[in-house]
Amino acid sequence: AQTVTQSQPEMSVQEAETVTLSCTYDTSESDYYLFWYKQPPSRQMILVIRQEAYKQQNATENRFSVNFQKAAKSFSLKISDSQLGDAAMYFCAYTTGANSKLTFGKGITLSVRP
Amino acid sequence: DTEVTQTPKHLVMGMTNKKSLKCEQHMGHRAMYWYKQKAKKPPELMFVYSYEKLSINESVPSRFSPECPNSSLLNLHLHALQPEDSALYLCASSQYKSPGETQYFGPGTRLLVL
Repeated sequence: AQTVTQSQPEMSVQEAETVTLSCTYDTSESDYYLFWYKQPPSRQMILVIRQEAYKQQNATENRFSVNFQKAAKSFSLKISDSQLGDAAMYFCAYTTGANSKLTFGKGITLSVRP
Repeated sequence: DTEVTQTPKHLVMGMTNKKSLKCEQHMGHRAMYWYKQKAKKPPELMFVYSYEKLSINESVPSRFSPECPNSSLLNLHLHALQPEDSALYLCASSQYKSPGETQYFGPGTRLLVL
């Protein structure tokens, strides 16, 4: 069975600094998709970034980038120039796409210090 | 427009009540999902509808009854719930055209069962 592990329950970062959120996963599939979702205190879950496993290039979206290490089954999220609005719970998620089921990690709560 | 709407935002019900949650999207998505989320936990998949047919039921108790009247609308009918069913109920949708598509989440309905 596929599993997604986020081992750090909480992290804190100073505003304008860079922070990296860790995620590892376990799968026997060769073709799959990875996501980072953000859920601010207002609760709406929004997509931060998406990575296709067959693409070697790491996905980036403005201040957000991933370090995708397929052999190590690692998918970390780097947030550059952290802003107060980045404070949220972040979930790493995985799918093979075969049945649209998302497997989520436990999540990490990120706080941003002004 | 990547908006999924959910009503009501909050719901309080007794264990003998019958109520319904509503989810709507106008993005032309053909897959819709119900998730249950407890505080500080990841969402748990309950049901998946694809092309208005129930494709996944994650062994959810029969007191939860989903319905997909058309491609834009998803309902969750609630009857004889238990206090442990109190949670945030999230709806999501995706295109269902290719593997690994992004799921877009609504803001959720906060349910309290007394």
